[in-house]
Amino acid sequence: GESVGLHLPTLSVQEGDNSIINCAYSNSASDYFIWYKQESGKGPQFIIDIRSNMDKRQGQRVTVLLNKTVKHLSLQIAATQPGDSAVYFCAENIRRGKTGGFKTIFGAGTRLFVKA
Amino acid sequence: DGGITQSPKYLFRKEGQNVTLSCEQNLNHDAMYWYRQDPGQGLRLIYYSQIVNDFQKGDIAEGYSVSREKKESFPLTVTSAQKNPTAFYLCASSSDRGFNEKLFFGSGTQLSVL
Repeated sequence: GESVGLHLPTLSVQEGDNSIINCAYSNSASDYFIWYKQESGKGPQFIIDIRSNMDKRQGQRVTVLLNKTVKHLSLQIAATQPGDSAVYFCAENIRRGKTGGFKTIFGAGTRLFVKA
Repeated sequence: DGGITQSPKYLFRKEGQNVTLSCEQNLNHDAMYWYRQDPGQGLRLIYYSQIVNDFQKGDIAEGYSVSREKKESFPLTVTSAQKNPTAFYLCASSSDRGFNEKLFFGSGTQLSVL
């Protein structure tokens, strides 16, 4: 049957402040992690990625940190802007097994509100 | 412009009716996917296809069917067996070349029951 609806974790920040969105992943064998941003009524879009042999990667205003010891991933957004308001999903790619290739497992998501 | 096109944007289904959601991509990607998203929740995989004329069930395939007759197209049919079809449906594609594949998503179809 269908699962009961759950409320997304929410983060509210002031415009111009830094945002930190956290994510715990489950599979210690994951090789690759991605952050996606989903604006209201749209599909998710790729933001930044990181391989398991790295612990930090920086993009434009965004940084992803990976702590494999505690299986934790975070997304930092510098100088948060109103356009950053969205739901952010972490995802990990794991091997499919028999059919080969990889599959993407999504986290539950975090809703970011930016106050002007 | 390359991308993924989903249609329609909004769709209404009557009880007992089958409806089909369209997904077309011109990215020359081998793999295509269908996800379901309920309000305030994450994405759940319905079906995926790694190559033409082949597809696999995802985590919540019951009440859904797909076909992959062309590389560019991966339509999803929501059958009358799906008792709670109201959700936001997302189609995605990827090059499926290895561990670092990224998903490219369409804009979604909101399906509601009349």
